Amino acid sequence: GAGVSQSPSNKVTEKGKDVELRCDPISGHTALYWYRQSLGQGLEFLIYFQGNSAPDKSGLPSDRFSAERTGGSVSTLTIQRTQQEDSAVYLCASSYRGGRWFNSPLHFGNGTRLTVT
Amino acid sequence: TQLLEQSPQFLSIQEGENLTVYCNSSSVFSSLQWYRQEPGEGPVLLVTVVTGGEVKKLKRLTFQFGDARKDSSLHITAAQPGDTGLYLCAGGPTGTASKLTFGTGTRLQVTL
Repeated sequence: GAGVSQSPSNKVTEKGKDVELRCDPISGHTALYWYRQSLGQGLEFLIYFQGNSAPDKSGLPSDRFSAERTGGSVSTLTIQRTQQEDSAVYLCASSYRGGRWFNSPLHFGNGTRLTVT
Repeated sequence: TQLLEQSPQFLSIQEGENLTVYCNSSSVFSSLQWYRQEPGEGPVLLVTVVTGGEVKKLKRLTFQFGDARKDSSLHITAAQPGDTGLYLCAGGPTGTASKLTFGTGTRLQVTL
């Protein structure tokens, strides 16, 4: 079956421009996460969606960052007025949140590499 | 804020050597997962440990969850070039927390 799909795989943009990153989760997965990874380091949590509940936005670094999830499926992460420090790999993951959470591992996409020049 | 520190940050060894990666926190986690990430790809789950003191083996990889559920280790026996990658531990949510807390990562390179 299809895994988590992210697009574009690479994005180069000029400082000050807005960018949209897309994530198609695995069908049937109710939970969707966005993480940011800089220079092959650990993952920084950005935002979490679970079903129809209000998203956990506690990881968004500034009000330039926003995300939405339409119809409980596809998600878009938007970065407005991009800055050079926004350059990173943005990873999306989904999981099926039935039962105990640890029985539902995260399935990651291959990420979008964002470069702000 | 729950933090997970991994050590070492970088490790370069030769094929056949043994190694241990550590994942430490001052916080208690409900469970702990280990992921491996290869260049250009997303992390892939290796194992989940749930009970304090639990040990799980996956071929040449041995994972242990600390008795107090604040730390974990990953031991690789007779490392192979295919083990090369970024190893990430991730602590499970406690209380009302909804998200995994990822560690700082250990980059492993195994050479012939």
